Amino acid sequence: EAQVTQNPRYLITVTGKKLTVTCSQNMNHEYMSWYRQDPGLGLRQIYYSMNVEVTDKGDVPEGYKVSRKEKRNFPLILESPSPNQTSLYFCASSLGRGGINEQFFGPGTRLTVL
Amino acid sequence: AQKVTQAQTEISVVEKEDVTLDCVYETRDTTYYLFWYKQPPSGELVFLIRRNSFDEQNEISGRYSWNFQKSTSSFNFTITASQVVDSAVYFCALSEDHDYKLSFGAGTTVTVRA
Repeated sequence: EAQVTQNPRYLITVTGKKLTVTCSQNMNHEYMSWYRQDPGLGLRQIYYSMNVEVTDKGDVPEGYKVSRKEKRNFPLILESPSPNQTSLYFCASSLGRGGINEQFFGPGTRLTVL
Repeated sequence: AQKVTQAQTEISVVEKEDVTLDCVYETRDTTYYLFWYKQPPSGELVFLIRRNSFDEQNEISGRYSWNFQKSTSSFNFTITASQVVDSAVYFCALSEDHDYKLSFGAGTTVTVRA
């Protein structure tokens, strides 16, 4: 089954404790992206990747890191989480040139930073 | 500046009523792509439609229809004869040709009452 998976689905952590949210897709998509969803703000793009070893900032990259060492994986790293990073996070992937094709979204990761 | 504006925060209708969701976008590119996504209460994001800037034909898919008007920079979405299963948050999104980002509107919550 073609899908985007994220882990964990739910996470409660404390300020400053490094964490990684994993994202993996099995569709051989070139483009992958991370979004955060907050009430009243819709989805905002954090980082995206056009292919292996090629990443770029979205609209809200501060406090996040990403890497793309393999085509299928695109982990999101929070080196020192803060309460304002409490949010619902979605990973997505799409075929070809990023942004112009349908994106397939993961199920979401709800993160709470205390 | 907000690239995608969904002015309606919430819409509540009774089943079988029609409902129109407004989406106004802002771009300087001549080539761009517009999308609608649906987020039902279960939380996943579901792709509904993609339209490029050179295709102004309106589209109908079952009870869903889309009206793209470049002259007013709008890409509105109508649900005809709404059903309870249409209750969801609907997002409009824009991708511009000069970069690889995807910008979402804040979303419109549609509640269809039986």
